[in-house]
Amino acid sequence: DTGVSQNPRHKITKRGQNVTFRCDPISEHNRLYWYRQTLGQGPEFLTYFQNEAQLEKSRLLSDRFSAERPKGSFSTLEIQRTEQGDSAMYLCASSLATTVRGTDTQYFGPGTRLTVL
Amino acid sequence: GQQVMQIPQYQHVQEGEDFTTYCNSSTTLSNIQWYKQRPGGHPVFLIQLVKSGEVKKQKRLTFQFGEAKKNSSLHITATQTTDVGTYFCAGLRDTGNQFYFGTGTSLTVIP
Repeated sequence: DTGVSQNPRHKITKRGQNVTFRCDPISEHNRLYWYRQTLGQGPEFLTYFQNEAQLEKSRLLSDRFSAERPKGSFSTLEIQRTEQGDSAMYLCASSLATTVRGTDTQYFGPGTRLTVL
Repeated sequence: GQQVMQIPQYQHVQEGEDFTTYCNSSTTLSNIQWYKQRPGGHPVFLIQLVKSGEVKKQKRLTFQFGEAKKNSSLHITATQTTDVGTYFCAGLRDTGNQFYFGTGTSLTVIP
């Protein structure tokens, strides 16, 4: 399967613990996005990378959230000191940058469902 | 919070009836994308609209971008049970590469 993969698919943690999620994009894609989706809502942008550079980060993203893409391939999203409000589906998407801004097609992974007890 | 709104939030139709979802932004959008998310699945890209007043068709689906580039619609003709899912619009503002997803419209098709 050459699509976007995410691990783990499910994560249950206790409040206050740290968690880390991994996203493996489609191999030739140079852009990688992280989103958060709660029940009944659309995906909410968290951050995006072009190659290894983190180019945009949502103002809604607290300091407890950090993302990396050290070699421009896979990415990790870490949440420190988890809170119950962090419970959500965390989606990763990848795309191939185009010459016209915002016209890249994002391919989403299956997501990691986080439950904070 | 959500800056792109969609109506209706839910829609139940009999198979064969038409369906329309509307997407409205408070600000002008550079372009708009539409996605479909099946229950338990992830968003899947459907189409992108860039030009003011643009209309695109994909078989029974018709997508439209408003003249002011602040609203969009998706119309499905003669719905089928395979159309079940949540349809999201995602708008791109004039700066940045952040897409603002709408609240989604959940479509149920009754056989």
